[in-house]
Amino acid sequence: GAVVSQHPSWVICKSGTSVKIECRSLDFQATTMFWYRQFPKQSLMLMATSNEGSKATYEQGVEKDKFLINHASLTLSTLTVTSAHPEDSSFYICSAPMTGRTMNTEAFFGQGTRLTVV
Amino acid sequence: AQSVAQPEDQVNVAEGNPLTVKCTYSVSGNPYLFWYVQYPNRGLQFLLKYITGDNLVKGSYGFEAEFNKSQTSFHLKKPSALVSDSALYFCAVRDQAGTALIFGKGTTLSVSS
Repeated sequence: GAVVSQHPSWVICKSGTSVKIECRSLDFQATTMFWYRQFPKQSLMLMATSNEGSKATYEQGVEKDKFLINHASLTLSTLTVTSAHPEDSSFYICSAPMTGRTMNTEAFFGQGTRLTVV
Repeated sequence: AQSVAQPEDQVNVAEGNPLTVKCTYSVSGNPYLFWYVQYPNRGLQFLLKYITGDNLVKGSYGFEAEFNKSQTSFHLKKPSALVSDSALYFCAVRDQAGTALIFGKGTTLSVSS
């Protein structure tokens, strides 16, 4: 089956630094990828939609200057948490549907990245 | 707007007994419904989906779900629970092409031996 690879799986950083998370579709092309954030024992909240070749679309309440998204190619989207603070500590997950099959595909998820800001 | 409700934060069941994890949805168009399972600090694993056709959908690991349009429900079921089924389960919905899945808050399933 289709695979989405997310890296790193966990990261610890100091407050004020930036962290980049990568999301790659390994055996299919993804013009669109989605970034979610999950707090402990809570649901996945959609943060933004990453679009290849154009600007990302952010959900209401998500700071676009803090969470920078770059969809550089049909197989790679990156999320950069800039000037991270402890409240940014969370589990971040990306997902990608196969191009042209956005309705009935189940969407494939990365392994997630546990970010801890100290 | 789309929404998904999972009314139970936690479901407890003994091993070997049947289990049900509830999900109701609200969409403006035709619903496309999904169930995922998540183990601690891991991504989501796809279990099953309803797109069209038979209301009873069979998925991975012996799970199944029944789509009920009149009740706008898509409950997850398994005839005989295993301890290894203990995990966090998410119901999700999509009603438009190219949009992200919208998830319920999740239900923790605990299967005791």
